Amino acid sequence: DTGVSQDPRHKITKRGQNVTFRCDPISEHNRLYWYRQTLGQGPEFLTYFQNEAQLEKSRLLSDRFSAERPKGSFSTLEIQRTEQGDSAMYLCASSHSTSPIYEQYFGPGTRLTVT
Amino acid sequence: AQSVSQHNHHVILSEAASLELGCNYSYGGTVNLFWYVQYPGQHLQLLLKYFSGDPLVKGIKGFEAEFIKSKFSFNLRKPSVQWSDTAEYFCAVNPGNTGFQKLVFGTGTRLLVSP
Repeated sequence: DTGVSQDPRHKITKRGQNVTFRCDPISEHNRLYWYRQTLGQGPEFLTYFQNEAQLEKSRLLSDRFSAERPKGSFSTLEIQRTEQGDSAMYLCASSHSTSPIYEQYFGPGTRLTVT
Repeated sequence: AQSVSQHNHHVILSEAASLELGCNYSYGGTVNLFWYVQYPGQHLQLLLKYFSGDPLVKGIKGFEAEFIKSKFSFNLRKPSVQWSDTAEYFCAVNPGNTGFQKLVFGTGTRLLVSP
C-alpha cells in the first residue's frame, strides 16, 4: 500500500506524559498536513509543511505541540505534558505542490486517549 | 473566519432513496470545494472536488455535487443510495489563493442506509 501511513494507530497515555506520532506521506508528496478530529466534529487544521519547512500553524497548536519534518519526508507530531483535552484522532495528509486543487490524501489517523 | 456548515448531522434512508446533503460555507472569495467520505473503520477518502468550470461535478460511486456561488453552497447528491453508502460525509473548503493550504471541514453528516 502506497498511501499515507501513521504510527501508532492507537495510543493511551497518562496525563502529563509526552507522546510522539509519526506520519509517512505518499512518496514524492512534498506537502504534509496535520489535523485533529474530536468526536462529532470534522478535522481541524493544525499545521502544514512544504518539504521540511513548516509554513503554517493553527492557533490550536499550543506551545505543548511541536511538529517536525526534518528531511522533507516523514513528519512527527509531539505533544508534551498531555492533558485530557488532547484526546482526539490525529490525522495526517499529504499532497503534491503541482496538484491543481491541492488534493489531500489522508492517513488512517492516530487515536490518542489521555487518562 | 472561514466556516463550513453541514446542517444534517444524521440522515437515515432506505436503499434506492435519493440523497441530498447540504453544505454551506462562509468564505467570500474564490474557493476550492471538496466532499470527503469516511466509511466505517476506514480513513477519509476524496469523493469529489470542484475547482472551476462546470458547477456540476461528478465523483466516484455515482455521487455528484453542485456549486451554487450565489448561495455559497456545494450540496452532495446521489439519485439512489445503496447500503454500502453508509458512512460519514464531510464537506471541506480550501480558499483559492495559493498561500492558504488548509482545508476547513464541516462537522460531518452521518448517513445510515437501511437495506
